[in-house]
Amino acid sequence: KAGVTQTPRYLIKTRGQQVTLSCSPISGHRSVSWYQQTPGQGLQFLFEYFSETQRNKGNFPGRFSGRQFSNSRSEMNVSTLELGDSALYLCASSLEGRYEQYFGPGTRLTVT
Amino acid sequence: QQPVQSPQAVILREGEDAVINCSSSKALYSVHWYRQKHGEAPIFLMILLKGGEQKGHDKISASFNEKKQQSSLYLTASQLSYSGTYFCGTEGGSNYKLTFGKGTLLTVNP
Repeated sequence: KAGVTQTPRYLIKTRGQQVTLSCSPISGHRSVSWYQQTPGQGLQFLFEYFSETQRNKGNFPGRFSGRQFSNSRSEMNVSTLELGDSALYLCASSLEGRYEQYFGPGTRLTVT
Repeated sequence: QQPVQSPQAVILREGEDAVINCSSSKALYSVHWYRQKHGEAPIFLMILLKGGEQKGHDKISASFNEKKQQSSLYLTASQLSYSGTYFCGTEGGSNYKLTFGKGTLLTVNP
């Protein structure tokens, strides 16, 4: 089975811009979770989607949003980028959100 | 509430054992363990469910003390390939939110 894929792998944006990241889960997985990873804060939960519904959201400002499509692919959007948004953004898929998660390679976002 | 992992870092020689602890202040439904090597995505190791049994495969095993809301990961006869950062992730119920600890950096030297 193909693993979780994320695009793009690297991205450089300037403050104030917006960005959309994409995640394709493992075939058959209906749950997609997004995480922000930084050296200081570690892995922080952004949100989880299952069957196109957001079931939970982490403690991030409203500038961070996401959605899931009927084929389980997911996107996350960050508007009005700030320098502090520079991070590795990981998505993970699972059959059902409470079980083992399989991570994608991540998107490295740099905000200048 | 972020679970607390200890130790923050540990250095071993090949063949030595290690224990990594994960503690939460909240009631837990499950504990997940992942390993991440530098520049790579986290890899699932195992999941322990409330009421479930101790898990393990090969020389890596884990336990879950529901009363204390603690989990421990045991690595025996460590190999060079065990090097990486180990994260525990906790889930408290039907909220589908996995909260990770800050990680434990494990270095295995020859």
